[in-house]
Amino acid sequence: QIVLTQSPAIMSASLGERVTMTCTASSSVSSSYLHWYQQKPGSSPKLWIYSTSNLASGVPARFSGSGSGTSYSLTISSMEAEDAATYYCHQYHRSPFTFGSGTKLEIK
Amino acid sequence: QVQLKESGPGLVAPSQSLSITCTISGFSLTSYGVHWVRQPPGKGLEWLVVIWSDGSTTYNSALKSRLSISKDNSKSQVFLKMNSLQTDDTAMYYCARHGGITTGFDYWGQGTTLTVSS
Repeated sequence: QIVLTQSPAIMSASLGERVTMTCTASSSVSSSYLHWYQQKPGSSPKLWIYSTSNLASGVPARFSGSGSGTSYSLTISSMEAEDAATYYCHQYHRSPFTFGSGTKLEIK
Repeated sequence: QVQLKESGPGLVAPSQSLSITCTISGFSLTSYGVHWVRQPPGKGLEWLVVIWSDGSTTYNSALKSRLSISKDNSKSQVFLKMNSLQTDDTAMYYCARHGGITTGFDYWGQGTTLTVSS
């Protein structure tokens, strides 16, 4: 199976700070099949970025995604309080459709 | 609007089996696939299985022997059955709509908690 490794596992950022988290796949994943979800405590995950770089409906433009092959990233240009959450990458390239272990983003 | 809602027994004894139902609205099961994903307390997400719009299925091979998925298109319901439950099956179970291979899981239910305990 394709293992997705997210780093860091936990990070904190100040309001207004630029944030980048990464997702590394154990084998190549088509960029069309790499997605990100946001999850806040007590809530179900929400589709956040699809096909590497496309923002889901309602996602603020300060979010962006990039990558190819085995290396992907999610960036927030300027951290806001509402961005505190856990972010999961997810591959749809090959079954089983695995998720990364998540990056928990906290406010510093 | 698109909605998914899970329902299940809540508490099950070890070695028993369970059935969880996902009731959908706002779309048709003949047009979209539905996935099941679980999340143990304080841990990450694990994909379990999908039933596609045509009724075919794809299972996580690690759990395939214990899982069964089916649906009733007319009732807009998807059913997940799991047998030989153990304590590490304790988790929140979510159903999610397959928005498309390049779109991911675009809508999720609120989840139903399953606790496996004697």
